[in-house]
Amino acid sequence: DIVMTQSPDSLAVSLGERATINCKSSQSLFSNSNNEDYLAWYQHKPGQPPKLLISWASTRESGVPDRFSGSGSGADFTLTISSLQAEDVAVYHCQQYYSRPITFGQGTRLEIK
Amino acid sequence: QVQLVQSGAEVEKPGASVKVSCKASGYNLNGYAMHWVRQAPGQRLEWMGWINTGNSKTEFSQNLQGRVTITRDTSASTAYMELSRLRSEDTAVYYCARGTCPGCYLIDYWGQGTLVTVSS
Repeated sequence: DIVMTQSPDSLAVSLGERATINCKSSQSLFSNSNNEDYLAWYQHKPGQPPKLLISWASTRESGVPDRFSGSGSGADFTLTISSLQAEDVAVYHCQQYYSRPITFGQGTRLEIK
Repeated sequence: QVQLVQSGAEVEKPGASVKVSCKASGYNLNGYAMHWVRQAPGQRLEWMGWINTGNSKTEFSQNLQGRVTITRDTSASTAYMELSRLRSEDTAVYYCARGTCPGCYLIDYWGQGTLVTVSS
């Protein structure tokens, strides 16, 4: 199974500041067949289901604010929130969909400083 | 719009079974894979299994092999997940989640979650 490891486990950032969350996979998620990385980011607020923010490592889903961006390739990925808003408080999960079983990172809890 | 509405919370005794339903609306159930994911308290999201609606095959996590069943009733636009021989460590929030195509592992929509508590 591919192991996904996020860092840090928790993060406190001031409103308007940048938040950066990292995700490492135990093997490359890059496919030569379509030149894509099979990595997604989800935002998970208490009492709500996870919400897909980013797919293919860097493709923002429709309706997701452009302060959210994904980067990285291979086995190292980053989710960046360029200017933290109060509504961004949540747990963020990375997920690989390169192979079964689908696996998730342990989650990063993002709070306001 | 796409919605996945799950059945309500359940409390079960060890050794019993639980069946969670997931009613889909806003799209054709047959056109997209359906995954089941759970999250135990303090743990990461754990993929349980899925049904590939392209070939109607199901596949399950090795950890749950033999205890989990995934089915669908297309006439009711509803998917089901049944977990048998429950243990205390099966206490978790269970989610159904839609794949982006019949055979896709990328998940775009999730149900609201169903809390299953296993306690004697």
